[in-house]
Amino acid sequence: ETGVTQSPTHLIKTRGQQVTLRCSSQSGHNTVSWYQQALGQGPQFIFQYYREEENGRGNFPPRFSGLQFPNYSSELNVNALELDDSALYLCASSPRGGRGANVLTFGAGSRLTVL
Amino acid sequence: GENVEQHPSTLSVQEGDSAVIKCTYSDSASNYFPWYKQELGKRPQLIIDIRSNVGEKKDQRIAVTLNKTAKHFSLHITETQPEDSAVYFCAASMWEYGNKLVFGAGTILRVKS
Repeated sequence: ETGVTQSPTHLIKTRGQQVTLRCSSQSGHNTVSWYQQALGQGPQFIFQYYREEENGRGNFPPRFSGLQFPNYSSELNVNALELDDSALYLCASSPRGGRGANVLTFGAGSRLTVL
Repeated sequence: GENVEQHPSTLSVQEGDSAVIKCTYSDSASNYFPWYKQELGKRPQLIIDIRSNVGEKKDQRIAVTLNKTAKHFSLHITETQPEDSAVYFCAASMWEYGNKLVFGAGTILRVKS
């Protein structure tokens, strides 16, 4: 059984650029969510994907968008990067429904720095 | 929406002592309360969780208590060890909303040997 893998691990962008982060969910998990963790803070929910559709969204602007693919992997896209977007972006997967539906398995994250 | 507050922000204890971290939540509809441990540079990992139909849950040296009336829940670690040093996050959600957890700001726990 493989865990949640994310790429890239680190990246540096400049203001106004666009970034795509990738996530492969744990084997057997069909729901993926993305969280933003600013330095010294708890993770903040960005959105969740199930059956290739956004299925819940936190308080993030539309320039944060995502995709889920048939193999349950996912992408997070951020357009028009701002300095405040600098953070660790965590992907988490879980099975849908039933016991364990809320038990998130996190990836190691993608550290984004915006200059 | 839900808001979770966590205290203290830092906690230092001597090895072998107990540590207690407390969280309060605002939305009485929340019914699932997990605790995650995040070691430096690593991913958050679930250490224990509790649902609102249960008042207390224990797993070896770790326990969580929930007071639905007061809307607060606590993590208790007994016989602390240096490897317990990490950042601990509480979270709250509604079971029906899947992955949408609202996290507290975290507690840095330092266990001194």
